Amino acid sequence: AQKITQTQPGMFVQEKEAVTLDCTYDTSDQSYGLFWYKQPSSGEMIFLIYQGSYDEQNATEGRYSLNFQKARKSANLVISASQLGDSAMYFCAMREGKENRDDKIIFGKGTRLHILP
Amino acid sequence: EPEVTQTPSHQVTQMGQEVILRCVPISNHLYFYWYRQILGQKVEFLVSFYNNEISEKSEIFDDQFSVERPDGSNFTLKIRSTKLEDSAMYFCASSDYRDYNSPLHFGNGTRLTVT
Repeated sequence: AQKITQTQPGMFVQEKEAVTLDCTYDTSDQSYGLFWYKQPSSGEMIFLIYQGSYDEQNATEGRYSLNFQKARKSANLVISASQLGDSAMYFCAMREGKENRDDKIIFGKGTRLHILP
Repeated sequence: EPEVTQTPSHQVTQMGQEVILRCVPISNHLYFYWYRQILGQKVEFLVSFYNNEISEKSEIFDDQFSVERPDGSNFTLKIRSTKLEDSAMYFCASSDYRDYNSPLHFGNGTRLTVT
């Protein structure tokens, strides 16, 4: 079973509009972290934002915010006032906590975001 | 800001040849990883490494693959006899803690093309 699900393979959004990229996750751990990475066409993986399972407030980082709904196991990325440079692939990822001996981040399949001028 | 450095950025090799992909993790990080991504697809975990030994490896990481930290700064991935299906972008990553709230910091990747 997939641990990270991103249901939007691609999205087209007008410049300056807000964007929500969906992510749902599956874990039995109480302690886990959720991450979003951006991959521009140049290929590098850029860490954007982090949300911990015990964090009561939604994470924010500049124009990025994470809409964390723990009961629904969702961690959607919101980009406010989108810019042309936001066009990229976006990956949601999870790192599980102490209960799980795994030592890795697991990625979703990604959403390709296109910002239209 | 400190960053993970990977060399080369692009490597072309013939099927059956050995390749070594090199990485310099962030200097105070202790946990190291290799991931691969086949042509814009999902980012797949290969192996994690800590304290000079493999912590975990995926089913992709078979006997063809090995990792090494030959000195205090480099972290390498070796593919002994490359196959066409090894063509992918290979990412090195490092983390300061092995903890759920510690992000992985990725290098810019090495694009491996096997012909």
